[in-house]
Amino acid sequence: EAEVAQSPRYKITEKSQAVAFWCDPISGHATLYWYRQILGQGPELLVQFQDESVVDDSQLPKDRFSAERLKGVDSTLKIQPAELGDSAMYLCASSLAGVVYEQYFGPGTRLTVT
Amino acid sequence: SQQGEEDPQALSIQEGENATMNCSYKTSINNLQWYRQNSGRGLVHLILIRSNEREKHSGRLRVTLDTSKKSSSLLITASRAADTASYFCATEGQGFSFIFGKGTRLLVKP
Repeated sequence: EAEVAQSPRYKITEKSQAVAFWCDPISGHATLYWYRQILGQGPELLVQFQDESVVDDSQLPKDRFSAERLKGVDSTLKIQPAELGDSAMYLCASSLAGVVYEQYFGPGTRLTVT
Repeated sequence: SQQGEEDPQALSIQEGENATMNCSYKTSINNLQWYRQNSGRGLVHLILIRSNEREKHSGRLRVTLDTSKKSSSLLITASRAADTASYFCATEGQGFSFIFGKGTRLLVKP
């Protein structure tokens, strides 16, 4: 069964350093989502792509976060510089085309900023 | 901003009992989805119910939707220890994005 791949699974970084996460969605899925999840809370959408275009990045802290999906396939989320408050689980999900379809989630990247 | 709000925040039951959790939302939706998350892992889709549907079943899961009350419920029958997880409802936010609630943490004791 096809799965969403994410790497790394765990990342420990010092504050002010740069960090990057990678996501490979299920083949054929046009929509890709990046979420941040703080322990004990629900996922919060950071950015949503439709193919290579950003559909929603209203909750993305653009002074330090950036995301790209250059060829409309895999995607990279970057944080520079990392802050202590960025410690969280970063989840990637994909769906066929938008919110009318179920989302398939990857295993996530757990980020710890020290 | 929170669109879906689950209730209760935590639920503890014995194996074999039924578990019911609720989700309330604020604005009109096209569909509502329920997801499960086992500890420290990614989310798994359980059920999608569309706004013109009132009830949907999948195995031991039953979801209802009341658009007049802007609420949904997820019923897990004959619960098992493996059902221990957090359960989230997800609804559409403004535009085409999803908003997840804070979740209900279910503990099924053997």
